[in-house]
Amino acid sequence: EAQVTQNPRYLITVTGKKLTVTCSQNMNHEYMSWYRQDPGLGLRQIYYSMNVEVTDKGDVPEGYKVSRKEKRNFPLILESPSPNQTSLYFCASRGTAYNEQFFGPGTRLTVL
Amino acid sequence: TQLLEQSPQFLSIQEGENLTVYCNSSSVFSSLQWYRQEPGEGPVLLVTVVTGGEVKKLKRLTFQFGDARKDSSLHITAAQPGDTGLYLCAGRIQGAQKLVFGQGTRLTINP
Repeated sequence: EAQVTQNPRYLITVTGKKLTVTCSQNMNHEYMSWYRQDPGLGLRQIYYSMNVEVTDKGDVPEGYKVSRKEKRNFPLILESPSPNQTSLYFCASRGTAYNEQFFGPGTRLTVL
Repeated sequence: TQLLEQSPQFLSIQEGENLTVYCNSSSVFSSLQWYRQEPGEGPVLLVTVVTGGEVKKLKRLTFQFGDARKDSSLHITAAQPGDTGLYLCAGRIQGAQKLVFGQGTRLTINP
């Protein structure tokens, strides 16, 4: 089954404690993205990657890091989480420009 | 400032009624997509429109891309409770790779 998986689905942590949210896709897609979703603001892109070892900033990259060492994986790293990073996070992947973007199930992060 | 403005942001209507959701921008898009998101899940693609003036139908849902490719609408006929969800429009700006999302329209269909 074609899918994007994210882990963990729920995470409660404290300010400053480094965390990683994993993302993996099994569709051999080149393009992967991370979004955060906040009420009234919709989905905002954090980082994206057009291929292995190629990553770039989206609209709200501050406080986040990513890596793309393998085509299937695109982890999101918060080196020092802060309460304003409390949000619902989605990983997504797609093939060519007009192809469907597949989203993961989301990770709900709370930073205390 | 939101590049893609969706309206209304919230809509609650009775089963059987018709509704239209709008997605507007001052920018031109090479394509526009509509997604539906249910609680606890990621958005799922409903349709992609590419050509100005294009109309696509998906059962009771009709999607239209504006002639100038700056706006789009989603019309639902005879809404059903199963249509309840968050509807998101997303556009790809000409020459760019990334998708820009609207704020979403939270639709509730009451039995």
